[in-house]
Amino acid sequence: GAVVSQHPSRVICKSGTSVKIECRSLDFQATTMFWYRQFPKQSLMLMATSNEGSKATYEQGVEKDKFLINHASLTLSTLTVTSAHPEDSSFYICSARLGRGPITGELFFGEGSRLTVL
Amino acid sequence: AQSVTQLDSQVPVFEEAPVELRCNYSSSVSVYLFWYVQYPNQGLQLLLKYLSGSTLVKGINGFEAEFNKSQTSFHLRKPSVHISDTAEYFCAVSNSGGSYIPTFGRGTSLIVHP
Repeated sequence: GAVVSQHPSRVICKSGTSVKIECRSLDFQATTMFWYRQFPKQSLMLMATSNEGSKATYEQGVEKDKFLINHASLTLSTLTVTSAHPEDSSFYICSARLGRGPITGELFFGEGSRLTVL
Repeated sequence: AQSVTQLDSQVPVFEEAPVELRCNYSSSVSVYLFWYVQYPNQGLQLLLKYLSGSTLVKGINGFEAEFNKSQTSFHLRKPSVHISDTAEYFCAVSNSGGSYIPTFGRGTSLIVHP
C-alpha cells in the first residue's frame, strides 16, 4: 500500500513553454502532498506543501507564479512549471502523507520527474 | 527548528564488508527519525523509521539503525553489503507535535565495490 505515482518521468521542452507534472496517490487518500526539487548530488529542497482544497504553501525563495501547484482532489496534485527556462532544469519529486492515522512525518515518494529545458 | 547532519558525503566499501552511515540531528523536542534510499533517477524509498519504543530498528534489505538520544544520533548499519546497495541514502527527522514536515540531510552516497 501507499503507492505514489508521478508522471511524466522525463520531459524535455523548449524554453518558454509550460510543463505539467502529475502526482497521484494510487491506493490512499493524501490530504497533504509535498513537492521537492533535487539538484545533482544534493539533498531534497522542499518547494511547497500542497493541501487538498486550499492554496499551496510555498517555501521562501520559491516563485509562486513560476511553480503553480494545484491539489484538486485527495489523490492528485499537479506542479506546473510556467515559462520554463534552462535554469528550471532539475529533478522534481512529489511525496504524500497518509490522510489517516497518526502523523509522524513519514512520506511516500513518487518516482520523480526529470525536466530538461532546452 | 530541527536539523540533520550526515557527516559523510560518500562512503566507499567493498562487497560483503560492513558499513555504517552516520546521521546526527538537533531538535528541541521529541523526534521521529527516518532513513530513505534513492536509486539513480528514482524517488525515495523508506528503509526504516524510529517512532518510539525499541531504539534498535530493523528495516528492509538487511539494514538497521539505532536511535541514541544522548548522542542525538541515528546511524544506519548493515553487516554485509551487496553491489545492489549502491545508492544515495538520506536521513530525515520530523518533530513530534510540530508540523511533521521532515527535514532531510544532504545524503550519503554508498558505493559498493566488487
